[in-house]
Amino acid sequence: EAGVVQSPRYKIIEKKQPVAFWCNPISGHNTLYWYLQNLGQGPELLIRYENEEAVDDSQLPKDRFSAERLKGVDSTLKIQPAELGDSAVYLCASSLGIGRTTDTQYFGPGTRLTVL
Amino acid sequence: DAKTTQPPSMDCAEGRAANLPCNHSTISGNEYVYWYRQIHSQGPQYIIHGLKNNETNEMASLIITEDRKSSTLILPHATLRDTAVYYCIVRGTISSGSARQLTFGSGTQLTVLP
Repeated sequence: EAGVVQSPRYKIIEKKQPVAFWCNPISGHNTLYWYLQNLGQGPELLIRYENEEAVDDSQLPKDRFSAERLKGVDSTLKIQPAELGDSAVYLCASSLGIGRTTDTQYFGPGTRLTVL
Repeated sequence: DAKTTQPPSMDCAEGRAANLPCNHSTISGNEYVYWYRQIHSQGPQYIIHGLKNNETNEMASLIITEDRKSSTLILPHATLRDTAVYYCIVRGTISSGSARQLTFGSGTQLTVLP
């Protein structure tokens, strides 16, 4: 069974340019997460989707970041315009979702963004 | 979710058991202990989780003390590929209203030496 798929794996852009990351969760997983991981730190949640609904986006910097999950499957995270401080690894995770006592999350390999 | 404390780094000889400790003295009755690891340049990988009984799977064993205030992740025969940052995370059940996201601390950098 395929795991969480993310693309691209690496992205280098100049500041003020837009960038987008794509995530395909594990088949059948209703919940999708986007995490941000700065160098030397643990991942931090940006946004969580239950199916196509964003139910927790309190940590998403809405002035420049946006996300969507059309049809409740794939998701795209966008930054426009990118700033130097956005250089980090962007991780996508998925889990089965509602109805579970415990809900184990499975992570993709991440997209490493470098803003010059 | 309860806070966890882990040593920043540990070494282990290849082929020996790696025992990674985690303190979670403020854990409450409905909170689970999860372990993830992150190999360099990869996403976090789920290892195991447990509530109060010891758990074992193909990757590792999880030993939780009777008072649940600490736990130990055991990799029975460490290999070079087990070198990674290991995260111990305490998280409540969905029905308890606990946050759905995982709250990662600093973890333990395990280095398996040849």
